Amino acid sequence: KAGVTQTPRYLIKTRGQQVTLSCSPISGHRSVSWYQQTPGQGLQFLFEYFSETQRNKGNFPGRFSGRQFSNSRSEMNVSTLELGDSALYLCASSLQDPGTEAFFGQGTRLTVV
Amino acid sequence: AQSVSQHNHHVILSEAASLELGCNYSYGGTVNLFWYVQYPGQHLQLLLKYFSGDPLVKGIKGFEAEFIKSKFSFNLRKPSVQWSDTAEYFCAVVPSGGSYIPTFGRGTSLIVHP
Repeated sequence: KAGVTQTPRYLIKTRGQQVTLSCSPISGHRSVSWYQQTPGQGLQFLFEYFSETQRNKGNFPGRFSGRQFSNSRSEMNVSTLELGDSALYLCASSLQDPGTEAFFGQGTRLTVV
Repeated sequence: AQSVSQHNHHVILSEAASLELGCNYSYGGTVNLFWYVQYPGQHLQLLLKYFSGDPLVKGIKGFEAEFIKSKFSFNLRKPSVQWSDTAEYFCAVVPSGGSYIPTFGRGTSLIVHP
């Protein structure tokens, strides 16, 4: 079966701009989680969506937001980009929740200049 | 708040050497435990997981991990590493009830020399 697909793979944005990243989960998976991966902080949980509702949220500012559509596809948005937002953003899908097993996408590499 | 500590940030081994990567967590309740691996240029994938039962769990490619509840540890082991095991390894903890917020360790970079 097809894995988790994230688009785009690479993005370069300017400080102050906003960006939207997309994630298509594995068919049948209803939970989508987002993570920020940086060399200094490792993998940090952003939020999780289940049935179009944000179910869990990590400790990130309100500039980071997301949503999930009825087909379980998810988007995350970062507004007013800062240099420190440069990172690999990973999406993971799970059948019910990330406490069972998470299947990760390849990620979107965001560079803020 | 839960935390996960991976003691070894960088490990360099020769093929056939034995591997043990440490993982300790702090959390007051019941947790599900995972090891994920990220091979160069590939996505993160599950190596093994522990939910309950036998504390010694076996995963793919000859890896195993032992959950020691009293030590809050979930160390990863492999008796004989191969060059293809070169990758980054992440330990993760998810509370098994209530909020399913995963916490990952910072990862261990393993390089295996042929």
